[in-house]
Amino acid sequence: GQNIDQPTEMTATEGAIVQINCTYQTSGFNGLFWYQQHAGEAPTFLSYNVLDGLEEKGRFSSFLSRSKGYSYLLLKELQMKDSASYLCAVREKDDKIIFGKGTRLHILP
Amino acid sequence: DARVTQTPRDKVTEMGQEVTMRCQPILGHNTVFWYRQTMMQGLELLAYFRNRAPLDDSGMPKDRFSAEMPDATLATLKIQPSEPRDSAVYFCASGRGTHNEQFFGPGTRLTVL
Repeated sequence: GQNIDQPTEMTATEGAIVQINCTYQTSGFNGLFWYQQHAGEAPTFLSYNVLDGLEEKGRFSSFLSRSKGYSYLLLKELQMKDSASYLCAVREKDDKIIFGKGTRLHILP
Repeated sequence: DARVTQTPRDKVTEMGQEVTMRCQPILGHNTVFWYRQTMMQGLELLAYFRNRAPLDDSGMPKDRFSAEMPDATLATLKIQPSEPRDSAVYFCASGRGTHNEQFFGPGTRLTVL
């Protein structure tokens, strides 16, 4: 079956670093996405990993280990505007994209 | 500035009524996804299309939901009859190719009384 797990909520302080983990078990794997979703808005794309390793994009980095079924999103130099939900999603072999339930990140001043 | 558009943005209806939600994918995108989002279940995949052909609609309650793409510029999601448990935000997303991001529309907030 399909299962994507991420923590429900996390809290971090402005200026700090936070790592949001995602573990998955899916029938076939063809890439992993991270999306950001602010309250009341649509999800927006952050990153896509298809090979093992770290992808860095500004303050955000995403890591993938296919053998472990594991990914994380690393957010550096946190800003108040980073308060949002972060969604991990897996693309399966038939292009179906399955989302985790998301991690609500709270940033404290 | 290419965007996915969805109509209506908000819909309030009574139980038993038919609801039709529409989505215009970004021109040139060949994959279209319909998702439903609730606080309890998160973002659930209902159906998706590639080159207008339905690939998987196993996430959809077949007795009341139907999804179609009458042409490349329009995707529809219908609920008939609607029930209060269908209340949610329904997102449409489109993409191009197999390794590209999805672009989400603004969503339709459906409330069934």
